[in-house]
Amino acid sequence: NAGVTQTPKFRILKIGQSMTLQCTQDMNHNYMYWYRQDPGMGLKLIYYSVGAGITDKGEVPNGYNVSRSTTEDFPLRLELAAPSQTSVYFCASSYEVRMNTEAFFGQGTRLTVV
Amino acid sequence: AQSVAQPEDQVNVAEGNPLTVKCTYSVSGNPYLFWYVQYPNRGLQFLLKYITGDNLVKGSYGFEAEFNKSQTSFHLKKPSALVSDSALYFCAVRASGGYQKVTFGTGTKLQVIP
Repeated sequence: NAGVTQTPKFRILKIGQSMTLQCTQDMNHNYMYWYRQDPGMGLKLIYYSVGAGITDKGEVPNGYNVSRSTTEDFPLRLELAAPSQTSVYFCASSYEVRMNTEAFFGQGTRLTVV
Repeated sequence: AQSVAQPEDQVNVAEGNPLTVKCTYSVSGNPYLFWYVQYPNRGLQFLLKYITGDNLVKGSYGFEAEFNKSQTSFHLKKPSALVSDSALYFCAVRASGGYQKVTFGTGTKLQVIP
């Protein structure tokens, strides 16, 4: 199993550009998440999904959009990139059945907006 | 609102000595508690969790954590530190029952000195 795979690993965007961060998991997990990690701030939840076709906002959703058309894929869309979106982005998934609640993380996407 | 506090930004310990990384939490109802480790340029990896049962939880790589309900703490411990344990450690909490959002602490950098 590959686990959670994120692409790209690094990206530099100009202000106002758009991009999609890809995330796919092969563990048949029902829940998927997008976090951003800023220095000294821990992880902040951007969006999450409890299953295909269902998404909901997290703590910091502004400037982002998501979709979940399949169990495996959960892309994150940045429409108009801003310097405040410079961060490291992590996709994660979990299997929320019984007590299997721990999350599995991808290796991250380091995004710089200039 | 639920929260997690990791009061130490950095913990330094000599190789072979015991280590403790502190975590306190606030949540409504019974907590689910987690520890994750992050190595440089990598995603978070699950170490251990407390859901219910024995207050002393054992996890990967010889780590353990003790759930203390009265002190609302979940400190991470290891009897003998290794240089390879040097990493960033995150504590996380969520409420029990159904799907509940997870809140992460800001992380503690563990430096094991040879």
